[in-house]
Order: sequence, then structure tokens, then C-alpha cells
Amino acid sequence: NAGVTQTPKFRILKIGQSMTLQCAQDMNHNYMYWYRQDPGMGLKLIYYSVGAGITDKGEVPNGYNVSRSTTEDFPLRLELAAPSQTSVYFCASSRDRGSLGGYTFGSGTRLTVV
Amino acid sequence: GIQVEQSPPDLILQEGANSTLRCNFSDSVNNLQWFHQNPWGQLINLFYIPSGTKQNGRLSATTVATERYSLLYISSSQTTDSGVYFCAVARNRDDKIIFGKGTRLHILP
Repeated sequence: NAGVTQTPKFRILKIGQSMTLQCAQDMNHNYMYWYRQDPGMGLKLIYYSVGAGITDKGEVPNGYNVSRSTTEDFPLRLELAAPSQTSVYFCASSRDRGSLGGYTFGSGTRLTVV
Repeated sequence: GIQVEQSPPDLILQEGANSTLRCNFSDSVNNLQWFHQNPWGQLINLFYIPSGTKQNGRLSATTVATERYSLLYISSSQTTDSGVYFCAVARNRDDKIIFGKGTRLHILP
């Protein structure tokens, strides 16, 4: 049982490049989330999804896009990378949105934009 | 939106010491969780505790919802307890989850 799997673990992008951060979960959770964690800070919600085909913006969605074609996968797309997007990105899943007790996090993707 | 404040921001303790971490929140919540982020960055659920008291080994947590705070207690600290402890809250099942900025704990051998 892998839980939540994120790839890649590390990536360096040049300004203006694009990339997709992959996230997959095998727990049949309906809710999936993307957070970013800046140095010394807590987590901020970028986008979330309540099920396949349904996504919505979180606190800091600008510069990102998501899709949810299956229950298992929730990729995060960065278009035209900017230095302000240098951060650690965490994907998470849960049975339902408010039930924090059911949150499972991936191991994170450390992204540097230069 | 709800404001979440954690204190202290940093805490350095000798192995074997006890510690208390605090989370204050600005509005009523129906969900509250404590997480531990280890030095390798992995986030682990510790407690789901919207009210009351729970214990798990050397860790325990108490939430007083009417007074809008939660406490995380760590007894007989070990070096493996080092990392950042986050409090996260949600007003209800359909509301955004808000994370505090965390308490960074250093346990010295």
C-alpha cells in the first residue's frame, strides 16, 4: 500500500519553463489537494479536488493548473515558471475535506526556479 | 478567514525534557489536527482532536474548543521528536483547512 506517491522529488526549472508534478494515491480517497510550503512557513492550499472531474481553487492558485481525470491521479501543472514558485510542493488525499484525521501526505517535491 | 497562531515559534530542549506547544485559533472550528514534519520533510498525522484529550505514547493533545486553543504535550523528548509541529484547523467539513506557521522543535542529545 503506497499511500500518496509524488514525482519527481527534486527539480530545477529555468524561468519560463513548464512542468507537471505528478501525484497518485491508492486509497480510493475522493479528496485530493496540492499545497506549497515556503521556507519557515506553513502549508498553503493551491488547488483541491472533491472527485474525478471536479477541481477548485485554494488560497494561492495563480500560476498553476490542475486536472482530475481519475480518482487516483491529481497532477499539478506549472506554466511559465517564475522564481516565486520556488517551494516544496505536497500532495495529499483524504476521505472527505474537513476530516483532517484522514489526511495522507506525499513525500514532497522540492522545486527551484532559476 | 480563521487565523491560526502557534507558539513558541522555536523551542530547543535537552533530550528527556517535556514540552508544551500551543495553537490558538480565531474562530470556532469543528476540526483540528496536529502534524509532525520530520527533518526529512515528511508530514505525519499525530492527532485529530477537535475537542477533548487524546494520548498516544509520549504524546498527548488537548483542545478546549470554547476557549479556542489546543495544546500538544511531548514528554521525555527524544531526538527523533525534532522537526516542525503544525496545527491545522477547519471550520467545518466544507471549509478550507488552515495551517499555522508551526513550532520548530530541536531536541539535543
